[in-house]
Amino acid sequence: DGGITQSPKYLFRKEGQNVTLSCEQNLNHDAMYWYRQDPGQGLRLIYYSQIVNDFQKGDIAEGYSVSREKKESFPLTVTSAQKNPTAFYLCASSISTGQNTGELFFGEGSRLTVL
Amino acid sequence: GENVEQHPSTLSVQEGDSAVIKCTYSDSASNYFPWYKQELGKRPQLIIDIRSNVGEKKDQRIAVTLNKTAKHFSLHITETQPEDSAVYFCAARYNNDMRFGAGTRLTVKP
Repeated sequence: DGGITQSPKYLFRKEGQNVTLSCEQNLNHDAMYWYRQDPGQGLRLIYYSQIVNDFQKGDIAEGYSVSREKKESFPLTVTSAQKNPTAFYLCASSISTGQNTGELFFGEGSRLTVL
Repeated sequence: GENVEQHPSTLSVQEGDSAVIKCTYSDSASNYFPWYKQELGKRPQLIIDIRSNVGEKKDQRIAVTLNKTAKHFSLHITETQPEDSAVYFCAARYNNDMRFGAGTRLTVKP
């Protein structure tokens, strides 16, 4: 069953703690993305990766870090430097064929709450 | 990077009426413009997309138009139904950089 899987679905953390959100895909997609969704603000790009061992900052990368050691995996770490981390986080992937790139496939999301 | 603006933020229509959502983008190099629908508590899903070499695309009750010169594109839903109620996002993309609008909450009243 192909798709993109995010875990955990719900996560609570205390202030000052780092937390890592998992994103795995078995669609053989080259490109992967992390977006943050807040009410009324749409989807804001945190980081994206076009190929293994390469990634670029999006609009709101401060306080976040990523790695892309394997094609299938693109974990996101929310660090203690992120001032307002409570949000819904969406991971996505797509085929990357230069300019003829296709649709994004989204995971089900991870809801992070900082207590 | 690309900046996408979307209007209106909320839209309420009567069942059977048409709904139109508009987006503008800033980067003239963007060449792919998808529209996503997100139902409450669910992931966004693609409903229609258009590439920069096409001016209009239609799929049953939904259509998208693109004006590259003006850098704007629109989603048109005809004969709206209550199940069309959701949040709709437009996006613009160049290579692998995809940016989204802020979303439009569409409510279709029976």
